[in-house]
Amino acid sequence: RKEVEQDPGPFNVPEGATVAFNCTYSNSASQSFFWYRQDCRKEPKLLMSVYSSGNEDGRFTAQLNRASQYISLLIRDSKLSDSATYLCVTDRGSTLGRLYFGRGTQLTVWP
Amino acid sequence: DTAVSQTPKYLVTQMGNDKSIKCEQNLGHDTMYWYKQDSKKFLKIMFSYNNKELIINETVPNRFSPKSPDKAHLNLHINSLELGDSAVYFCASSRKSVGGNSPLHFGNGTRLTVT
Repeated sequence: RKEVEQDPGPFNVPEGATVAFNCTYSNSASQSFFWYRQDCRKEPKLLMSVYSSGNEDGRFTAQLNRASQYISLLIRDSKLSDSATYLCVTDRGSTLGRLYFGRGTQLTVWP
Repeated sequence: DTAVSQTPKYLVTQMGNDKSIKCEQNLGHDTMYWYKQDSKKFLKIMFSYNNKELIINETVPNRFSPKSPDKAHLNLHINSLELGDSAVYFCASSRKSVGGNSPLHFGNGTRLTVT
């Protein structure tokens, strides 16, 4: 079983829509959680860390559900510039720095 | 001003050749990594160095040899290149953290094509 599983999509939504991605992780000891975005032929860039109590950054909201071992990302009022692949990332609970990336969920926002 | 920079950006070479990719970070981070992203876009860790010391060595063929001359640099040398080595190689760095792992900062990638 992979460390991190994501629905690859693609998700195609109109501008202004609200879209949500989920991601499940396999190791209950995982401590660190992140969402990255990766544009086509570019490097992954940190979108936001995910905290236990959930956190928001503008139009983006991240939630963590430890009991069910999933994290989610909600994007409100989608913009064309949100089109990208969103990568779910976690660790195994050690601080060795080994982070595991999901395969990514592809989002296309159309005008 | 680039935080994590790697060179070259593109590398096209023939099977059997030996090539190197260089990476430098100016963020003052202690830990550096090499990740490989294959054609299916799956990002997988290869190596990690902390203060010049190898701490993660995933199941990677020994044709791949990382070298960290100092904590700001991590290079990757690949011997006897094979077709299956074609991928995008990302260098990354992170700071030391307590109670969890810090996020990674990636370089812009090296697109390796082996013909």
